[in-house]
Amino acid sequence: EIVLTQSPATLSLSPGERATLSCRASQSVSSVLAWYQQKPGQAPRLLIYDAFNRATGIPPRFSGSGSGTDFTLTISSLEPEDFAVYHCQYRKVFGGGTKVEIK
Amino acid sequence: EVELVESGGGLVQPGGSLRLSCAASGFLFNRYWMSWVRQAPGKGLEWVANINEDETLTYYADSVEGRFTISRDNDKKSLYLQLNSVRAEDTAMYYCTRVFSADQNDYWGQGTLVTVSS
Repeated sequence: EIVLTQSPATLSLSPGERATLSCRASQSVSSVLAWYQQKPGQAPRLLIYDAFNRATGIPPRFSGSGSGTDFTLTISSLEPEDFAVYHCQYRKVFGGGTKVEIK
Repeated sequence: EVELVESGGGLVQPGGSLRLSCAASGFLFNRYWMSWVRQAPGKGLEWVANINEDETLTYYADSVEGRFTISRDNDKKSLYLQLNSVRAEDTAMYYCTRVFSADQNDYWGQGTLVTVSS
């Protein structure tokens, strides 16, 4: 079974800074990888599908890249509303999440 | 506008049963796979089960296989999850999701909380 490992577990940054989140798969998942954002008390929201496609309504500061086993979610310039937990997913497997917190 | 509204959560004793429902609106329900994803308090997301458009295919996580049953009623635009023989580790927020491609979930409900405790 494929395992997804997200790093770091916590990322402490200031508004305006660039965030780089990693998701590594234990074996190749081609480009079938999604990213979700989850704020406290809310359901997850789809950000990126198929590794690099932004979902409807997602601002361009969010971008996804990678293929095979190594994937990256980049937030080019953090807005106050971007501080949240981010999950990656391949099929029926989710990563453990990365929390982006205010420094 | 796509909307998914879960209901049916609550407190249940170990070994008991519960049926979760998800009412869908704003899209052609009978054209999508649907799934349930759960999240234990303070933990990550865990895929639970999914079902195809006409209910001929269902899949389950090993942790719930044989105890949970996913079903749907396309006429009522509703998704269900029957939880039997529940355990403490089934305590979680249960989310109903619409599946659009390769198990990726483009819409999520707000969730319904299941607490298993005596």
